[in-house]
This record gives sequence, C-alpha cells and structure tokens, in this order.
Amino acid sequence: DVVMTQTPVSLSVSLGGQTSISCRSSQSLVHSDGNTYLYWYLQKPGQSPQLLIYKVSNRFSGVPDRFSGSGSGTDFTLKISRVEPEDLGVYYCYQGTHYPWTFGGGTKLELK
Amino acid sequence: QVTLKESGPGILQPSQTLSLTCSFSGFSLSTYGMCVGWIRQSSGKGLEWLANIWWNDDKYYNPSLKNRLTISKDTSNNQAFLKITNMDTADTATYYCARPDYWGQGVMVTVSS
Repeated sequence: DVVMTQTPVSLSVSLGGQTSISCRSSQSLVHSDGNTYLYWYLQKPGQSPQLLIYKVSNRFSGVPDRFSGSGSGTDFTLKISRVEPEDLGVYYCYQGTHYPWTFGGGTKLELK
Repeated sequence: QVTLKESGPGILQPSQTLSLTCSFSGFSLSTYGMCVGWIRQSSGKGLEWLANIWWNDDKYYNPSLKNRLTISKDTSNNQAFLKITNMDTADTATYYCARPDYWGQGVMVTVSS
C-alpha cells in the first residue's frame, strides 16, 4: 500500500496568517495515464470531508484562491494564506493513483 | 447539483452483515469515467478507503478487509451498495459514500452485542 505521510500533525495559526501542510507518498503518484491523483480535503467538525484541491494543484469549484496545491512525484504541499475562521478543521491528503487508495493521517489546523 | 446520501441499519450485532445504500443525484454511474466509492472513519480517527465501483462495473476493494466486501450498483435507480460480512466491534464507524469530488453526509454504524 502507498503510505501517505502528512506533516505536521497539528498547526496553530493566527487569523490572516499563512501556513502549509506537507504530504509525502511512499511511491510516485504519477498514474500510467499521466495524471497525478493527489487530492486535498478539509473536514470541519461534524461534517464530511470537502474537496479543496484535485490532481495536485487544481482548486475545486468554489474554493477560495487562498488555497493552493503544489508538488510532484512523491512530495506535495497545501498552502493556505490569509487564514480565516472557516478554514479550521482537519486537512487530509488522499491518493487515488494506486489501489488501495490511501489517506494521510490528517493535520489539525487550530487558531493561535 | 451532485448529492449523495447514505443509509444503513445504524446498529447491528457482531458477525452480522452490514448492508449500506448510497442514493445519489446529479450524475449517472453509467457515464464514462464515473466512479463511486465507500470510505469509513472510526470515531476521532482517520479515513479508510474501502471500495470503488466504476461506470463499466470494474470493482476494487481494500485488501485489508480480506474478502468481506462486496460493492454493487443499480444504475437505473442511481444507487450504489456496499455489503460487509462478519461485522465486528472494530467496524464501528461512520461510513461515507463518495466520488472523489463529492461526499455524502455519512451514516453512523455501531456494532454491539
């Protein structure tokens, strides 16, 4: 199985501040079709995960441009700028390239 | 507008079979490239992918559940299903039906004697 290692486990950030989350995979996430199926989700308390970024760097519909994804191969980053209260929750990376699909362990974003 | 909604028994006893239904709208599972999957989350813990079914009826399962899983679909009625046999207390979790871009609200399943 592909192991997705997310760091840090928790983050404390000030409103209006900037932060980033790292996700590393145990093998390359480049699919045989040429795409890299790396997703980022935010799970707010009591809610199901919501998609932020798909295929490494594409913002999903309605996601503010404060969120950006980057990376390639095995090393990926989610950056959040101008943090707002609605950004708080647990962030997960997720790979859909290799079966079984696997999630990172999550990063909890809290207010400083 | 894409929506997915899970339904299930809520509570079941150890060794029983869990049957879950995902009712969706806003897309068709007969459309090329479409897939629906099941993911679960134990209380306060992370996410575990369980299975996918694709528009062409290809099915993929998490081998960690050792042949306990069966995924299926009813394209005409816009539904997908998941069965898990031999349920255990360790299978207590919230079960989500999801495309990669949209998730249902989840259904809580408790296994208890």
